[in-house]
Amino acid sequence: DGGITQSPKYLFRKEGQNVTLSCEQNLNHDAMYWYRQDPGQGLRLIYYSQIVNDFQKGDIAEGYSVSREKKESFPLTVTSAQKNPTAFYLCASSIANANTGELFFGEGSRLTVL
Amino acid sequence: SQQGEEDPQALSIQEGENATMNCSYKTSINNLQWYRQNSGRGLVHLILIRSNEREKHSGRLRVTLDTSKKSSSLLITASRAADTASYFCATGMNRDDKIIFGKGTRLHILP
Repeated sequence: DGGITQSPKYLFRKEGQNVTLSCEQNLNHDAMYWYRQDPGQGLRLIYYSQIVNDFQKGDIAEGYSVSREKKESFPLTVTSAQKNPTAFYLCASSIANANTGELFFGEGSRLTVL
Repeated sequence: SQQGEEDPQALSIQEGENATMNCSYKTSINNLQWYRQNSGRGLVHLILIRSNEREKHSGRLRVTLDTSKKSSSLLITASRAADTASYFCATGMNRDDKIIFGKGTRLHILP
């Protein structure tokens, strides 16, 4: 089945550690996105990528990094510079420009900093 | 920056009643989308309405868009227990490729 796979579903991290969240899609979509969701809140855009080897900062990029070496993959690294990393992280993809159509979401990764 | 704001923040209704949620936004948009999120899960796309459309239907869903008031509404008719979820509006703006989400409406359908 086509879709977006995020892993791990749950992740615990000690303060000061970097952690990488995986996002893989087999929908042949050009665009991929990372969002952060805090309890009772909407989604805030961290980074997005419209094409391989290119990506742009979203509204809350500080303390995060991404890469887009392959069309199918868009991993997110939460660095030790992120002051409040405990959150629910959602990856999404779209055919091309997000203005033209829907986003397809993964099931999310819940990160807890101990 | 939060573009869309849903209203109400939470809504509880009896099964079988209609549920209406509203979304207001601030800047000009290319389209407006509604998504649903079950607790602890990813979002699922429900419906997209373009800036030149005024109303759209999909099954039990009806979406309206008033660009002069910068607002949209989502109506779910004949609600079911399975409709219990959070509903988000998301706007695609003309100037860039980002989709911006509101904070959502938590809908609870009472049996």
